[in-house]
Amino acid sequence: NAGVTQTPKFQVLKTGQSMTLQCAQDMNHNSMYWYRQDPGMGLRLIYYSASEGTTDKGEVPNGYNVSRLNKREFSLRLESAAPSQTSVYFCASSEEGGVFDEQFFGPGTRLTVL
Amino acid sequence: ILNVEQSPQSLHVQEGDSTNFTCSFPSSNFYALHWYRWETAKSPEALFVMTLNGDEKKKGRISATLNTKEGYSYLYIKGSQPEDSATYLCAFMDSNYQLIWGAGTKLIIKP
Repeated sequence: NAGVTQTPKFQVLKTGQSMTLQCAQDMNHNSMYWYRQDPGMGLRLIYYSASEGTTDKGEVPNGYNVSRLNKREFSLRLESAAPSQTSVYFCASSEEGGVFDEQFFGPGTRLTVL
Repeated sequence: ILNVEQSPQSLHVQEGDSTNFTCSFPSSNFYALHWYRWETAKSPEALFVMTLNGDEKKKGRISATLNTKEGYSYLYIKGSQPEDSATYLCAFMDSNYQLIWGAGTKLIIKP
């Protein structure tokens, strides 16, 4: 039982390049999330998916797109990377996204945009 | 914009001492308050989910209290041990059932 996995762990991009961050969970969770974590700030929600086939914007969606490929997988795409997108990205999942549901996190992807 | 504040930002505590830190959140439209523990080089892991005013939760030497009327929660650690060194995050659940996260309190236990 791997929990939540993310690839890659590290990535360096040049401004304007594109890339997709992959996330998968094996806990049969309905809800999945993408966060970014910047120094001195709390985790900020980029996009979430309450269930397979649905996605919604979070607090900071600009510059990102997501795909909920199936129940297990939720990918985050940067179409044209900018230095402001340098951050650590975390994927998380929860059973239903309800009040009592804890979120389970992946190991993170450290992205640097030059 | 909802704001979740944690204080202090960082804390050095002698091994064996007890400590506590604070999470402040909006006192209106309260749904839940989550506490997570985040060890270096690992991912955040849930400690507590608190929903009722006056709620107290305990897990080993760690406990938390909740005051929804005034918008704060305290996390207590009794008899700190080196393995307690971590960043402790709180998160307020908003009306969309999304978590608004504080920046965390980094706890360092000195042996």
